[in-house]
Amino acid sequence: ELKVEQNPLFLSMQEGKNYTIYCNYSTTSDRLYWYRQDPGKSLESLFVLLSNGAVKQEGRLMASLDTKARLSTLHITAAVHDLSATYFCAVFTSGTYKYIFGTGTRLKVLA
Amino acid sequence: DAGITQSPRHKVTETGTPVTLRCHQTENHRYMYWYRQDPGHGLRLIHYSYGVKDTDKGEVSDGYSVSRSKTEDFLLTLESATSSQTSVYFCAISERDRPSYEQYFGPGTRLTVT
Repeated sequence: ELKVEQNPLFLSMQEGKNYTIYCNYSTTSDRLYWYRQDPGKSLESLFVLLSNGAVKQEGRLMASLDTKARLSTLHITAAVHDLSATYFCAVFTSGTYKYIFGTGTRLKVLA
Repeated sequence: DAGITQSPRHKVTETGTPVTLRCHQTENHRYMYWYRQDPGHGLRLIHYSYGVKDTDKGEVSDGYSVSRSKTEDFLLTLESATSSQTSVYFCAISERDRPSYEQYFGPGTRLTVT
């Protein structure tokens, strides 16, 4: 059974600091997704990573994928308050058409 | 934004009553999904559909049924609602004609079972 684990589950950080969120998954997959969710809202797509070594960046966020290690990272550079949200990673299972989500990382950026 | 709507957006119902949630899409995507979101669990798959009249179970399907009679609509039914089904329900769609297989989410339905 495919499992997706995120850590940390909760992250409180100061503005201007850097940090990384980790997403580990338990079986092979070549598609990994990062989403952002604001309180009371739906999920917003941030990144789609399709191959080993893929790296994507948008503003202060950068995501990468290592399919051999079954690991994706979401790196936050010089955090600002507007990045406060919950971040989810999800993995696609090609044999079943399912997406398995991590439990989420709740990020709080303190001014 | 992908054209996905969910109805109702909020519902309060009593234990033992049937409840149907609707997901409607205007994107003509083949795949549709129902998830529930609870604190500490992320999103968990309830049921999904890979075509009209083609559905399959997810990891938390007990107590739920689904139907898809046309491409644009995917219905989730709680036959006899229980308090453990109090949750936020999200519908999602995806398509396989693009390499990303990206999912797009509806706005969600907050269901409270008293």
